[in-house]
Amino acid sequence: SQKIEQNSEALNIQEGKTATLTCNYTNYSPAYLQWYRQDPGRGPVFLLLIRENEKEKRKERLKVTFDTTLKQSLFHITASQPADSATYLCALDLDSGYALNFGKGTSLLVTP
Amino acid sequence: EAQVTQNPRYLITVTGKKLTVTCSQNMNHEYMSWYRQDPGLGLRQIYYSMNVEVTDKGDVPEGYKVSRKEKRNFPLILESPSPNQTSLYFCASKKIRDRTEAFFGQGTRLTVV
Repeated sequence: SQKIEQNSEALNIQEGKTATLTCNYTNYSPAYLQWYRQDPGRGPVFLLLIRENEKEKRKERLKVTFDTTLKQSLFHITASQPADSATYLCALDLDSGYALNFGKGTSLLVTP
Repeated sequence: EAQVTQNPRYLITVTGKKLTVTCSQNMNHEYMSWYRQDPGLGLRQIYYSMNVEVTDKGDVPEGYKVSRKEKRNFPLILESPSPNQTSLYFCASKKIRDRTEAFFGQGTRLTVV
């Protein structure tokens, strides 16, 4: 069956450091992968999209890599700030190409 | 402003009393979807729709109904709510043709007692 796995353990890091979150998937051949941020009780908000033919994508302090051989994406936040504390979700399109399937998310806590 | 609007934000109801959660989007998106989110289980898809009058089941459709009579609206109907449907619900929409991001509503926190 199709699975998307993200670290279930919360990630605690110190302000200024780089946070790295992992998304692994099985039984998918996604054309693209997305990362979302979710604050408690609120809807997910889109951050970045990376296509299968792209190895890396950047947006300000965010960087995403996509390795279709390893079936893995890494999400980096450089120079992290307490305001980056949230849950981060990765999402893949289903085989139909229409819907999005989400991982359970990794909680990030950035302490001053 | 591009947005997905859900109502109500909070709802407490009793077992068996039919309810509807509304969802509306103003971006002319073809695709709309409902998710529920529970601790430790992440976002699970309930139903989705690829266009008007086209709906399909997601991973956890039991106990729910949807309709898509207009492109902008996608209501979620619980005909006979039960306590195991207590959850945080999100509506989302996206374009189909371009593989772009999904836009989510603010969420509806439903408690069934």
